[in-house]
Amino acid sequence: NAGVMQNPRHLVRRRGQEARLRCSPMKGHSHVYWYRQLPEEGLKFMVYLQKENIIDESGMPKERFSAEFPKEGPSILRIQQVVRGDSAAYFCASSIFASGGATYNEQFFGPGTRLTVL
Amino acid sequence: GESVGLHLPTLSVQEGDNSIINCAYSNSASDYFIWYKQESGKGPQFIIDIRSNMDKRQGQRVTVLLNKTVKHLSLQIAATQPGDSAVYFCAENDEAGNQFYFGTGTSLTVIP
Repeated sequence: NAGVMQNPRHLVRRRGQEARLRCSPMKGHSHVYWYRQLPEEGLKFMVYLQKENIIDESGMPKERFSAEFPKEGPSILRIQQVVRGDSAAYFCASSIFASGGATYNEQFFGPGTRLTVL
Repeated sequence: GESVGLHLPTLSVQEGDNSIINCAYSNSASDYFIWYKQESGKGPQFIIDIRSNMDKRQGQRVTVLLNKTVKHLSLQIAATQPGDSAVYFCAENDEAGNQFYFGTGTSLTVIP
């Protein structure tokens, strides 16, 4: 059973370009979470999605950032008009059930996409 | 102006010694905690979890202690090995939320 897959592993963009980060959850997982990690810092929650639904986007900037998890295919984190401050590692995690509420389930993390904005 | 990031706390131990990594949390409503290990260039890897109705949980070579009174969590690694060198994060989750809140992490270096 393959783990969480993310691609690309490294992405270089120039200021003003768009960045698209992809995440394929583990087989059977329908809950996806995106986190951002700056150097020497912990992970910061961005968004939680289920298939075709955004459940919680409280950690995602209102402008330039969007996320989707279509019925078919990977989850996509999209950053429009990137700026240097967007340079970070972006991690995706998936779980079988919701991580929170009365049911706890481990979130399995992907290897991350390291975005560098020149 | 330019912002200065926080330096990651570091811990160096001799191979074979026990390691203790600490974490403080602030939300008294947090009721589920996980310790993650992150090696360089990789995503976080689950180590052990604990719910707030427990104060101790043991795994293979690892023990997590939870003190809800002072909102403190610790990870103990027995007989630390070079392969344990990594950054360790605690993460907390409250019953109302869907997200985990991660601490800043502690960098563990094992000296052979």
